[in-house]
Amino acid sequence: DVKVTQSSRYLVKRTGEKVFLECVQDMDHENMFWYRQDPGLGLRLIYFSYDVKMKEKGDIPEGYSVSREKKERFSLILESASTNQTSMYLCASSSGTPVGEQFFGPGTRLTVL
Amino acid sequence: QKEVEQNSGPLSVPEGAIASLNCTYSDRGSQSFFWYRQYSGKSPELIMSIYSNGDKEDGRFTAQLNKASQYVSLLIRDSQPSDSATYLCAVNRLSNFGNEKLTFGTGTRLTIIP
Repeated sequence: DVKVTQSSRYLVKRTGEKVFLECVQDMDHENMFWYRQDPGLGLRLIYFSYDVKMKEKGDIPEGYSVSREKKERFSLILESASTNQTSMYLCASSSGTPVGEQFFGPGTRLTVL
Repeated sequence: QKEVEQNSGPLSVPEGAIASLNCTYSDRGSQSFFWYRQYSGKSPELIMSIYSNGDKEDGRFTAQLNKASQYVSLLIRDSQPSDSATYLCAVNRLSNFGNEKLTFGTGTRLTIIP
């Protein structure tokens, strides 16, 4: 079974802090994704990566950056956390094709005070 | 117009009946369509994928695709209380650099009434 793990289940940070969210998958998947999920807005793509050191902006990349130094690990970085980044963050991975058959991690509930 | 639209519900269906979930999409170039199930407090899990017009059946689940009408649906036969969840429709798109990504609908909350 594919396993996608995320570093924290719950996280509380202060406005202006730098925040790192880590995601690791154990199935040698090429593709990795970061989403945020908010009530009424659904799942929205922040960034994605199709290969090591490759990244592409999703639909809402503002205020975020990512890093993929190893195939199994994809990190989401909030350079200066703001209250509007309070959300559930979900990491997902998929094999080469089809890209849309994604496996999700358990999520990180981030609260920015 | 939203790229992927779903009725948010809640949709209530008696146990044993057929639940019908609908989704429309705007990008005529989309080729891949997915249904994810999300239980409360959990992350989404893939339950069906469909790539060509027509029906695809998997157990109690049937996905239906009509590309001409830009419409995809999910039927759940013999609905069980364990089917109570939010169902997310997802459609692939190409990014500006030609890479595939998914766009999700906001989901339909389904409740099966015992």
